[in-house]
Amino acid sequence: DGGITQSPKYLFRKEGQNVTLSCEQNLNHDAMYWYRQDPGQGLRLIYYSQIVNDFQKGDIAEGYSVSREKKESFPLTVTSAQKNPTAFYLCASSLGRNSNQPQHFGDGTRLSIL
Amino acid sequence: AQSVTQPDIHITVSEGASLELRCNYSYGATPYLFWYVQSPGQGLQLLLKYFSGDTLVQGIKGFEAEFKRSQSSFNLRKPSVHWSDAAEYFCAVGRTGGSYIPTFGRGTSLIVHP
Repeated sequence: DGGITQSPKYLFRKEGQNVTLSCEQNLNHDAMYWYRQDPGQGLRLIYYSQIVNDFQKGDIAEGYSVSREKKESFPLTVTSAQKNPTAFYLCASSLGRNSNQPQHFGDGTRLSIL
Repeated sequence: AQSVTQPDIHITVSEGASLELRCNYSYGATPYLFWYVQSPGQGLQLLLKYFSGDTLVQGIKGFEAEFKRSQSSFNLRKPSVHWSDAAEYFCAVGRTGGSYIPTFGRGTSLIVHP
């Protein structure tokens, strides 16, 4: 079955450490997205990519970085510059660039600080 | 820019009762509209979408939504709620005619009493 796989499901970060969240899709979708979810705040867009080797900052990109070297993969790195990284992170993909395309979501990664 | 408001943070209903979750959007033209559902610790699943045409849209799991242009609303309804419907519900709006990222509301948490 096609879908989006996020790993790991739970991740712990030490002070000063960078951590990378994995997102892989086998839906042959062009566009991929990273969202951060905090209680009561809905989904906030971190980064998105509409094509391989290209990505754009979302609303809260500071302290995060991404790459899009392959169509299937869109990893997110939470750097030590992100001072409040504890949150639920969701990866999504959509068929094309247009906003009429519904997004397909992974099951998320919960990141906590040790 | 488009925006979306979900006025109710929490909604509590009894099992078997009817349900209506409110969503209001702000956008000059006819937007693309979506409802998603999120079970605890999981990603979002698309319930239904509206692009054009019939203003009453049927979705999965017995849900429907009605687009009302005059009220800038896209409320989600279900005639009889089941305990398994307890979840977080998100409304999203996308702009037409371009590669724009949908905007999500902050979500409504549905609690179902037996």
